[in-house]
Amino acid sequence: DAGVTQSPTHLIKTRGQQVTLRCSPISGHKSVSWYQQVLGQGPQFIFQYYEKEERGRGNFPDRFSARQFPNYSSELNVNALLLGDSALYLCASSLSPGTSGRGSTDTQYFGPGTRLTVL
Amino acid sequence: GENVEQHPSTLSVQEGDSAVIKCTYSDSASNYFPWYKQELGKRPQLIIDIRSNVGEKKDQRIAVTLNKTAKHFSLHITETQPEDSAVYFCAANPTGGGNKLTFGTGTQLKVEL
Repeated sequence: DAGVTQSPTHLIKTRGQQVTLRCSPISGHKSVSWYQQVLGQGPQFIFQYYEKEERGRGNFPDRFSARQFPNYSSELNVNALLLGDSALYLCASSLSPGTSGRGSTDTQYFGPGTRLTVL
Repeated sequence: GENVEQHPSTLSVQEGDSAVIKCTYSDSASNYFPWYKQELGKRPQLIIDIRSNVGEKKDQRIAVTLNKTAKHFSLHITETQPEDSAVYFCAANPTGGGNKLTFGTGTQLKVEL
């Protein structure tokens, strides 16, 4: 039973470049969330997608964008890279999207991450 | 928005002792509180979670307690082993967040022989 997979595992870019990170959720899971984890800190929420629609967005600039495909895999794009974008980018997979307000949050399972280094 | 504080930032215990990590949250509407373990260079792994309709949940050597009135929750690890050494993160779901989680800053647990 495959878990969440991400590619590539490592990436080195220079300032101003663009990067695309990929994620495949656990089979049967339809929701994907992206997190940024800077060294020594907890993950920070970037986006959530469910059924190809954006369901949530964190406090990140418009240089960050994402999309989800019909097979529920997802891509995270970051344009005009800055040194501060260097981090571990984690994808989390869940069965359902959770609900807003005083609703429920579904259990999330993380992928191994993509380590992005911006020089 | 939600703010999650986690203490201590580092914790060193002797093998066999217990370890306790505490978190507080700010959003009174939060109702889901997972704990993740992250070993160096690896993915965060869910070790236990609790929803606000219960006050305590146990899974073998790991337990989590939740005090909604005080807005804090704690992770308890008993009979610690060297393989428990890792960074532990608590998290909470902010109001209106769907599957969004707000994480604490992490606790580096070291279990010494």
